[in-house]
Amino acid sequence: GAVVSQHPSRVICKSGTSVKIECRSLDFQATTMFWYRQFPKKSLMLMATSNEGSKATYEQGVEKDKFLINHASLTLSTLTVTSAHPEDSSFYICSAIKGGLDTQYFGPGTRLTVL
Amino acid sequence: SQQGEEDPQALSIQEGENATMNCSYKTSINNLQWYRQNSGRGLVHLILIRSNEREKHSGRLRVTLDTSKKSSSLLITASRAADTASYFCATDESNDYKLSFGAGTTVTVRA
Repeated sequence: GAVVSQHPSRVICKSGTSVKIECRSLDFQATTMFWYRQFPKKSLMLMATSNEGSKATYEQGVEKDKFLINHASLTLSTLTVTSAHPEDSSFYICSAIKGGLDTQYFGPGTRLTVL
Repeated sequence: SQQGEEDPQALSIQEGENATMNCSYKTSINNLQWYRQNSGRGLVHLILIRSNEREKHSGRLRVTLDTSKKSSSLLITASRAADTASYFCATDESNDYKLSFGAGTTVTVRA
């Protein structure tokens, strides 16, 4: 199997606070993980590529100081939304690559609501 | 960036009918993948088709790829209510595993 989990599944926070989202590959090691953002009824937008042991690579237009990514181990990547604002409210989804295969395995997503 | 365009945006069919959706893209690709997303959930990988392949089957799913037209289609045969979901195509352009997603087709299967 290839299972990816995310925690939390849903979070509501106040404007100005920081929120950490975890992405774990449960039954395989993932040297590469990806973070996506999805607005309601819209497609997924790639935010960044998270590589174990090195700095994340951010897509154009994504603020690296706003969205901090840490890939501390082969099974865990975290996304921290710093000083969150209502416009950061979105569905955040991670994915992981298993063993050099082309298929990405997606987590169930985290719904962030910033009040 | 988003490179795929999907057609139609929404599709409503009766259970047992076939559903066909199309995806067009702009640049050359290494592979194209189809995913399904149930409302408010993560994505489930359906099929990957490589640039040198023209057709692939998996159960009730059939995917075609026409690189000359930069387009792909996903056919779901004998649809079921459980097939109700959004379907996305995604392209891998530079073999770095980064995916560019299309806008998606929302499929509703009526019982």
